[in-house]
Amino acid sequence: DAGVIQSPRHEVTEMGQEVTLRCKPISGHNSLFWYRQTMMRGLELLIYFNNNVPIDDSGMPEDRFSAKMPNASFSTLKIQPSEPRDSAVYFCASSFGGAIKGDTQYFGPGTRLTVL
Amino acid sequence: AQSVAQPEDQVNVAEGNPLTVKCTYSVSGNPYLFWYVQYPNRGLQFLLKYITGDNLVKGSYGFEAEFNKSQTSFHLKKPSALVSDSALYFCAVTSGLDNYGQNFVFGPGTRLSVLP
Repeated sequence: DAGVIQSPRHEVTEMGQEVTLRCKPISGHNSLFWYRQTMMRGLELLIYFNNNVPIDDSGMPEDRFSAKMPNASFSTLKIQPSEPRDSAVYFCASSFGGAIKGDTQYFGPGTRLTVL
Repeated sequence: AQSVAQPEDQVNVAEGNPLTVKCTYSVSGNPYLFWYVQYPNRGLQFLLKYITGDNLVKGSYGFEAEFNKSQTSFHLKKPSALVSDSALYFCAVTSGLDNYGQNFVFGPGTRLSVLP
């Protein structure tokens, strides 16, 4: 299996622009997670989906952030408009999830976002 | 609320010596505990987890961890460190009370440096 795939790997944009990050989970996994990693705040869970349905979005910082999962093999995290404080590494992870509590999450390589 | 502490920002150990990376947790209900490793510019890689059963858990690359309920700890250990073990290590916890057991809380990370 190719593992969790994220694109792009690096994104540099200017303040105010829209940014879209993409994730393809491992085939057969039912849960998908978006995390943000910064030096100041560490690794934070932004949102997670189970069977394409958002379960917990309490970590989404503000209305500028939105996430969708239109099907089992694709998810997007969008920031509109972007701000310099959004600069971070964004990780996507997936797991079998659902009824399996404590299931292992497998992480993608991350997208390093820089907002100028 | 769940929380994880990794009391050491940095651990230095000589190659060939045993290593320990500490983790303590706070959670309501039964804890599900995980260790992940992150190499530079890479995503997190799963090492091992404790869900139930034997308190000593063995994982990838010769690592093991011991669950201690009375001390609420889950320290990561390896009998003989390698230079290639140098990386950032994260402890994570979730709870059996969470409907999906998926809401991981990560510790701040411990940077391990193995000196040749």
